[in-house]
Amino acid sequence: AQSVTQLDSQVPVFEEAPVELRCNYSSSVSVYLFWYVQYPNQGLQLLLKYLSGSTLVKGINGFEAEFNKSQTSFHLRKPSVHISDTAEYFCAVTMKTSYDKVIFGPGTSLSVIP
Amino acid sequence: DSGVTQTPKHLITATGQRVTLRCSPRSGDLSVYWYQQSLDQGLQFLIQYYNGEERAKGNILERFSAQQFPDLHSELNLSSLELGDSALYFCASSVAGGTNTDTQYFGPGTRLTVL
Repeated sequence: AQSVTQLDSQVPVFEEAPVELRCNYSSSVSVYLFWYVQYPNQGLQLLLKYLSGSTLVKGINGFEAEFNKSQTSFHLRKPSVHISDTAEYFCAVTMKTSYDKVIFGPGTSLSVIP
Repeated sequence: DSGVTQTPKHLITATGQRVTLRCSPRSGDLSVYWYQQSLDQGLQFLIQYYNGEERAKGNILERFSAQQFPDLHSELNLSSLELGDSALYFCASSVAGGTNTDTQYFGPGTRLTVL
């Protein structure tokens, strides 16, 4: 079975500062990894995904994430955040070998302080 | 705007009742996914349909059922409702359904409140 951990439930950060949102996963098989963002009162939007190849993945809105197989991590980073980045961020995993369900982490609430 | 529409936006009902949530996928998308988001359980995958057939099943209760119609819209039926079913229900769609790498596009959700 797979599981996803997001250690930080809330992350406050000042505008224009860098941010890292942590995600660790557990799985006995190879997985695909995703980051989604949920703005207030909206549905989820895909930020980026890791399928294969380069371990550094670039996504929308200036976000990037790095897959680290040995540490089973997929941390999300942005070098300079904006007020508009205030949202809930979800890390997710799905098995490579089946049409299996997506498993989401509990989410990290990012608050950007002006 | 993702192109996925969900109706209604809000639904308030009583315990024991039955409700139907509707989802229209993006034009051309063949797969529809249903998710439940609650404070207790977080975001959970319920079920996926691909071109009218069930493709994958997650943590969907037996009291819940879904279907995808020939025009590709989908309905999620929730029956014998309990207080704990109060949640935000999201629908998502993707172009294909043959792999789990497809980008899913989420609708705005239906907020269900069971009193």
